[in-house]
Amino acid sequence: EIVMTQSPATLSVSPGERATLSCRASQSINSDLAWYQQNPGQVPRLLIYGASTRATGIPARFSGSGSGADFTLTISSLQSEDLAVYYCQQYNNWPHTFGQGTKLEIK
Amino acid sequence: EVHVLESGGGLVQPGGSLRLSCAASGFTFSSSAMSWVRQAPGKGLEWVSGITDTGFATFHADSVKGRFTISRDNSKNMVYLQMNSLRAEDTAVYYCAAYGSGTYQPLDYWGQGTLITVSS
Repeated sequence: EIVMTQSPATLSVSPGERATLSCRASQSINSDLAWYQQNPGQVPRLLIYGASTRATGIPARFSGSGSGADFTLTISSLQSEDLAVYYCQQYNNWPHTFGQGTKLEIK
Repeated sequence: EVHVLESGGGLVQPGGSLRLSCAASGFTFSSSAMSWVRQAPGKGLEWVSGITDTGFATFHADSVKGRFTISRDNSKNMVYLQMNSLRAEDTAVYYCAAYGSGTYQPLDYWGQGTLITVSS
């Protein structure tokens, strides 16, 4: 099983500032990585897939990068609605494991 | 418009069984792998089970292997999760989610979730 490790567990960022979230896989997963956003009380939604491709309707301030085992989600200019928990997931190998999540707080 | 709708949740005693159902529409169901993902109260997402588009192959997390079984009926656009020998730690919201068409796809579509509570 591939273990996904996210850091930090919690991130506090001021509105308009940049947020950088990390995700590391225990082995190479090529670019088979997705990021999901879960707003409080809501269903997770797909943000990024293929490590760097934004899903339909996702604002351009969200970007993903990385390949192999190290990945980053960047929110270029934080908005209040970005308050959420962000999860990475690998879909290169079954089981399609998730990271433990990064809680993004608005400072 | 895509719809993914889970049903079958509720309260069950430890050691009991429950079957979840998931009805999907608005996309080419028979071309999409499907998964169940759960979220215990106040916790993160946990991938539980997956099934390929044809149903030929199934996969389960170690935490549920031997107790849960995923299946699908492409003629009805349905996915199921048979859960046996339920434990308190299985208490969670269970989401049904659909992958995009093809191989190496993310979970594009999610249902609203159904709550399973395992308690005496």
